[in-house]
Amino acid sequence: AQKITQTQPGMFVQEKEAVTLDCTYDTSDQSYGLFWYKQPSSGEMIFLIYQGSYDEQNATEGRYSLNFQKARKSANLVISASQLGDSAMYFCAMRFSGYSTLTFGKGTMLLVSP
Amino acid sequence: DAGVIQSPRHEVTEMGQEVTLRCKPISGHNSLFWYRQTMMRGLELLIYFNNNVPIDDSGMPEDRFSAKMPNASFSTLKIQPSEPRDSAVYFCASSLLARGETQYFGPGTRLLVL
Repeated sequence: AQKITQTQPGMFVQEKEAVTLDCTYDTSDQSYGLFWYKQPSSGEMIFLIYQGSYDEQNATEGRYSLNFQKARKSANLVISASQLGDSAMYFCAMRFSGYSTLTFGKGTMLLVSP
Repeated sequence: DAGVIQSPRHEVTEMGQEVTLRCKPISGHNSLFWYRQTMMRGLELLIYFNNNVPIDDSGMPEDRFSAKMPNASFSTLKIQPSEPRDSAVYFCASSLLARGETQYFGPGTRLLVL
């Protein structure tokens, strides 16, 4: 079965600290894509970062990086130097081989405190 | 660059009424997706189009839901008749059939059916 799992319902972090949000997936495909989205309280879904299964380097976008461990089937999001504006729900999503659609995890709520 | 545009942003209607949600994808994108988000079920894919053609509508809940994409720059999701259980946030997203196929989401339509 192809599925994606976020085991942390909620995470707390202090401002300026780094935080890792977990995401594991289950697939026998060799080609797939992994995505992270942010959903703040205002409700919009904001694309953060993408990693292709054949990409050798971990993806980075500013303060966001994706810790991609293919053998462990994990794609954790690392946010460095957390800011108050990072407080939001974070969704991991996967595009499986041969599909254009995304399968989303249930999300992790991140709260950043001053 | 304009992102995905959805209208209306908020809709309150009475049970039994017809509801039409509208979406304008990012110019040049050739795939369009309709999602529904609820607390109970999370993000669910309803239907997606590729080059204006519906490819997968297996997520459409029932015959009360229909979606069209008459051209590359416009899509509608219609609910007729609406029911209270249809209350949710409906997102439209678009992507380019290329490496990554990152989906970019619109701001969503918050639908409340009384």
